[in-house]
Amino acid sequence: GQNIDQPTEMTATEGAIVQINCTYQTSGFNGLFWYQQHAGEAPTFLSYNVLDGLEEKGRFSSFLSRSKGYSYLLLKELQMKDSASYLCAVTGANNLFFGTGTRLTVIP
Amino acid sequence: KAGVTQTPRYLIKTRGQQVTLSCSPISGHRSVSWYQQTPGQGLQFLFEYFSETQRNKGNFPGRFSGRQFSNSRSEMNVSTLELGDSALYLCASSLSAGGPADTQYFGPGTRLTVL
Repeated sequence: GQNIDQPTEMTATEGAIVQINCTYQTSGFNGLFWYQQHAGEAPTFLSYNVLDGLEEKGRFSSFLSRSKGYSYLLLKELQMKDSASYLCAVTGANNLFFGTGTRLTVIP
Repeated sequence: KAGVTQTPRYLIKTRGQQVTLSCSPISGHRSVSWYQQTPGQGLQFLFEYFSETQRNKGNFPGRFSGRQFSNSRSEMNVSTLELGDSALYLCASSLSAGGPADTQYFGPGTRLTVL
């Protein structure tokens, strides 16, 4: 089966760096997505990792270790608008499976 | 380019009724996936359609069904509604036939409330 674990909630300060972890167990793994979802809105694509290593995209970076079943999303220079839920999703068994998401609150 | 659109945005039904939700993908996208999102369960995969064929299916009862038309627009239907079906139903489209590894773009969702 599939199992995805993320912390439920995190709080960080504006301007700081925060790391959101995701561990997973799945069959037929193809890759891992990170999505951002603001309250009341649809998820929006942030990153996709298929190979081990770090993918950097502006203030956001995503890391994947396939052997450890582990990924993290790194957000730098946090802004108030980064307050949102961050969803980790893995491909497996021809489906896309989402974790329950990490609600990040950025405080001044 | 217009994004994924879903109609209606909000819907209130009573137990036992049935409901049909509609999704129009981004122009050129041929794959449409449906998800149910609830506070406790997160996003759960319902099914995926590509070229009018259901390609993948999640673990939902047969009351949940869908279809895709030749213009890639998709509908999902829920029959004999239960209180637990209250959720946000999200549709996502992707460009090609790569299956779940393709980046999906989500619509705004339909908020279904079952009374």
